Amino acid sequence: GAGVSQTPSNKVTEKGKYVELRCDPISGHTALYWYRQSLGQGPEFLIYFQGTGAADDSGLPNDRFFAVRPEGSVSTLKIQRTERGDSAVYLCASSSSGYDTDTQYFGPGTRLTVL
Amino acid sequence: AQSVAQPEDQVNVAEGNPLTVKCTYSVSGNPYLFWYVQYPNRGLQFLLKYITGDNLVKGSYGFEAEFNKSQTSFHLKKPSALVSDSALYFCAVRDGRRDKFYFGSGTKLNVKP
Repeated sequence: GAGVSQTPSNKVTEKGKYVELRCDPISGHTALYWYRQSLGQGPEFLIYFQGTGAADDSGLPNDRFFAVRPEGSVSTLKIQRTERGDSAVYLCASSSSGYDTDTQYFGPGTRLTVL
Repeated sequence: AQSVAQPEDQVNVAEGNPLTVKCTYSVSGNPYLFWYVQYPNRGLQFLLKYITGDNLVKGSYGFEAEFNKSQTSFHLKKPSALVSDSALYFCAVRDGRRDKFYFGSGTKLNVKP
């Protein structure tokens, strides 16, 4: 079946602009994670959804970052007033349950470049 | 604090030789440990995980990893490396009481023919 998909694959924007990054998880997966991966680093946790609610948003760096998952499937990561330091690959992952040890399945990522 | 360390930025090995990619961790609860592989321009792919039970875990593509509680390590191993194993490998840990995952900085594996 289809894996996790993310759109767009690449996004170039100017400093100060607003961007939205979309994640389509594997059908039926209740848990959804957002990560940020900077060059030469491992994925850094941003936020985790169980169903429609954000179960843990402790990784969001500041209030410019926000994520939603209104119907418990597709999620959107929103970044306001983008800064050059926001440039990174944003990864989404889903799993069938967040309350146990199920494997996370990752999407290919969205490469965000802030000029 | 929860953390994962991969002390080697790069590991070089000849095809057919055994390989080891090192990982050490720190968590406050019971560790749930994972290895992922990342090929260029592709998402992370799950290789294997340790939750409980046998300390030696077998995973995809002939990889295995050994959990060592006293050394807080979870090294990835393969008896005979292939050129196609060349990729970026990430170790990850989850604190058993939480759903948050922590990833290491990655180790680039180069397998030369």
